[in-house]
Amino acid sequence: GQQLNQSPQSMFIQEGEDVSMNCTSSSIFNTWLWYKQDPGEGPVLLIALYKAGELTSNGRLTAQFGTTRKDSFLNISASIPSDVGIYFCAGLGWNNAGNMLTFGGGTRLMVKP
Amino acid sequence: DGGITQSPKYLFRKEGQNVTLSCEQNLNHDAMYWYRQDPGQGLRLIYYSQIVNDFQKGDIAEGYSVSREKKESFPLTVTSAQKNPTAFYLCASAPRTGGIGELFFGEGSRLTVL
Repeated sequence: GQQLNQSPQSMFIQEGEDVSMNCTSSSIFNTWLWYKQDPGEGPVLLIALYKAGELTSNGRLTAQFGTTRKDSFLNISASIPSDVGIYFCAGLGWNNAGNMLTFGGGTRLMVKP
Repeated sequence: DGGITQSPKYLFRKEGQNVTLSCEQNLNHDAMYWYRQDPGQGLRLIYYSQIVNDFQKGDIAEGYSVSREKKESFPLTVTSAQKNPTAFYLCASAPRTGGIGELFFGEGSRLTVL
């Protein structure tokens, strides 16, 4: 099946630093989504990208849909302690079952005050 | 408030027992999904349902069963055939399949087999 490679797997940064994470795939996706999961909770949608080359911001978060449609990145500027959590990318693509989401393995972000 | 409710949040089970996890949504969404999450790993799809009385296997359906008798409800049964059931289970819903794919997640149920 389709697979997403998300990196890095974990990051430990100082408060105030910028963060960058990305997802790559050998398959083309029609939509890229970025979710954040707080400990013990379900993921919450942060940003959705619908067109190749699209760059979208949500506060301190910026995400881009790669022009090849096989990758996406998420940047967080000026990190704060509440940014701690696991960030997942997800790609929406077509397979035998129709349009389905494929999730990356997640990036665990830890922020030191 | 509209949303997805999963229960119980924590569940302990002895080996050999079946257990059912509840998922209810009042968002009027057509599609519902069950995912499994293991530590340090991404979300893996167990089952999904596009409409009432219909559901499809995901990537790791073995040892699990579901039903979709009502639009609002999509319970997951973890059977004794599931060899490694200890995990965090997430239910999600979406307005429709084949669309933009934005899932809304519940808060999860953590199952521990003793």
